Amino acid sequence: SAVISQKPSRDICQRGTSLTIQCQVDSQVTMMFWYRQQPGQSLTLIATANQGSEATYESGFVIDKFPISRPNLTFSTLTVSNMSPEDSSIYLCSASRGEGHGYTFGSGTRLTVV
Amino acid sequence: DAKTTQPNSMESNEEEPVHLPCNHSTISGTDYIHWYRQLPSQGPEYVIHGLTSNVNNRMASLAIAEDRKSSTLILHRATLRDAAVYYCIRVGYGNKLVFGAGTILRVKS
Repeated sequence: SAVISQKPSRDICQRGTSLTIQCQVDSQVTMMFWYRQQPGQSLTLIATANQGSEATYESGFVIDKFPISRPNLTFSTLTVSNMSPEDSSIYLCSASRGEGHGYTFGSGTRLTVV
Repeated sequence: DAKTTQPNSMESNEEEPVHLPCNHSTISGTDYIHWYRQLPSQGPEYVIHGLTSNVNNRMASLAIAEDRKSSTLILHRATLRDAAVYYCIRVGYGNKLVFGAGTILRVKS
């Protein structure tokens, strides 16, 4: 299965700034996704990162706040913009080769906004 | 809406089999059943997935009911390292993994 490298692993940021999280897969994948996980909670899907086109966002998430890029079949970035303490969370990327295949997850980025 | 139902928690003794149930009564004919687990402070880890037939791999077995409205993840011999949150997820149109609350598995030594 694919192996995902996600960075940074953690960061402490000032409110009002932005952070870009990178997700690199060791092989070409059809699908990539971004999730958020609050402490003690399950994962919430933010968006599907579409290669060569705009990401598809889930209800409650918007492009201005969470712009996503996916320039090719192995790489994606998630930016958390204009951060507030409420954005403190773990952000994870996921990838799959498509229908009928399993999904692999990065180890996550632990973000603290102060 | 995860569209699956799992018990909040289960407990098992070390070295004994564990059967984790999942109800997905509204499943569509082309939806896959996936299982993932998340150990503390780690990202989710793929366990197994299937469509209609029972599936086995080195980690676990997946037993899917004939009507596909339920399934059971079987860990043949639980170890302390198997203590985690286990998520049962339907994957259908759009191929998105939508997580529910999962089952917290505790393993006693």
